[in-house]
Amino acid sequence: DQQVKQNSPSLSVQEGRISILNCDYTNSMFDYFLWYKKYPAEGPTFLISISSIKDKNEDGRFTVFLNKSAKHLSLHIVPSQPGDSAVYFCAASANSNSGYALNFGKGTSLLVTP
Amino acid sequence: GAGVSQTPSNKVTEKGKYVELRCDPISGHTALYWYRQSLGQGPEFLIYFQGTGAADDSGLPNDRFFAVRPEGSVSTLKIQRTERGDSAVYLCASSLYGDTEAFFGQGTRLTVV
Repeated sequence: DQQVKQNSPSLSVQEGRISILNCDYTNSMFDYFLWYKKYPAEGPTFLISISSIKDKNEDGRFTVFLNKSAKHLSLHIVPSQPGDSAVYFCAASANSNSGYALNFGKGTSLLVTP
Repeated sequence: GAGVSQTPSNKVTEKGKYVELRCDPISGHTALYWYRQSLGQGPEFLIYFQGTGAADDSGLPNDRFFAVRPEGSVSTLKIQRTERGDSAVYLCASSLYGDTEAFFGQGTRLTVV
């Protein structure tokens, strides 16, 4: 049962343009959402997060938006750079017996072309 | 190094053999997680340690899988009687207690032939 869904397996964007990666979730108990970036043969690297009490968090070129009523979040990267090409995972957690164990989506492969 | 370290990076084993995968978390991180990532999927939770004890092992797929963290630092994931379906990347992550951001190791790619 996939509680976090990333429906776009891949996305191609031109350098300098905006990249928008989307994520949907089903569990209303999730209270923390994170985006991880992953290069081949490396572990996921934390990028940005947002608490459920907020609707926006910004860090440099990266902004995450949360729409709780729609159970939807998105990651905006602007301007996109070739070095941003990677797989992006959306993840969600809720404090529970498993600490802050993360529920991941399947990932979106972003390609930024020069 | 200062990050999460996993060894080996790659492990090829024959079906039916026993394997151990090691994770060295970031010093001082009391929370430790194991995940498994199959091809084309996101990482899936296996087990969570808070200190030395396994607080939640509900993600372990069956009783062939076991993990320990005897001194509250290094953890070992053990898989008995490996099957081809166990082939995946096994990821370890650690965090400070109560912290939502976890730091991942580079993973161990396990291939069962």
